[in-house]
Amino acid sequence: EDQVTQSPEALRLQEGESSSLNCSYTVSGLRGLFWYRQDPGKGPEFLFTLYSAGEEKEKERLKATLTKKESFLHITAPKPEDSATYLCAVRTYNTDKLIFGTGTRLQVFP
Amino acid sequence: DTGVSQDPRHKITKRGQNVTFRCDPISEHNRLYWYRQTLGQGPEFLTYFQNEAQLEKSRLLSDRFSAERPKGSFSTLEIQRTEQGDSAMYLCASSSSPRGTRSSYEQYFGPGTRLTVT
Repeated sequence: EDQVTQSPEALRLQEGESSSLNCSYTVSGLRGLFWYRQDPGKGPEFLFTLYSAGEEKEKERLKATLTKKESFLHITAPKPEDSATYLCAVRTYNTDKLIFGTGTRLQVFP
Repeated sequence: DTGVSQDPRHKITKRGQNVTFRCDPISEHNRLYWYRQTLGQGPEFLTYFQNEAQLEKSRLLSDRFSAERPKGSFSTLEIQRTEQGDSAMYLCASSSSPRGTRSSYEQYFGPGTRLTVT
């Protein structure tokens, strides 16, 4: 069964303290790995798509990387406004739906 | 604003009542998806359409749930005889499927409809 696992469940950082979020996946055939940001009470906001191992994408303080088994979302020098839940999802060759992990809830304190 | 819109944003209903939600996708997108999200969980897939055709339904979608997308534009999700377990955020997303471009795989989400069944 296709599965996505995110860790840690929650992460508290001091402003400026860099860290990484992990997304490990077990799928029959990966057709894309997606990162989303979700603020409380809102819909997920698209951040990145990664398609093949070794691929990297960057946006402001965020950098996403992909291997054959996992993806990392690196946050460099985070600010309080980066506080949110970060969701990872995969799309496989069998379907067009996204399979989501449970997310990492990030809190950045000034 | 040309993003995905959903209506209503919040719905409180009594157990046993029927409810209907509406989703308007990004105008040029031909694919439309429904997901359900409960507190502390990631979104769970319910169903999706390409134009007006419903192509996939989750096992989560019981007989009380029905979705339509007449004319391939907006979509409605109806829940009949609501139960307390139906309380969740119902999310709609859309994407395009032009041939030969990977960007067609990106799904853009609306703000969601928060359903509370009392």
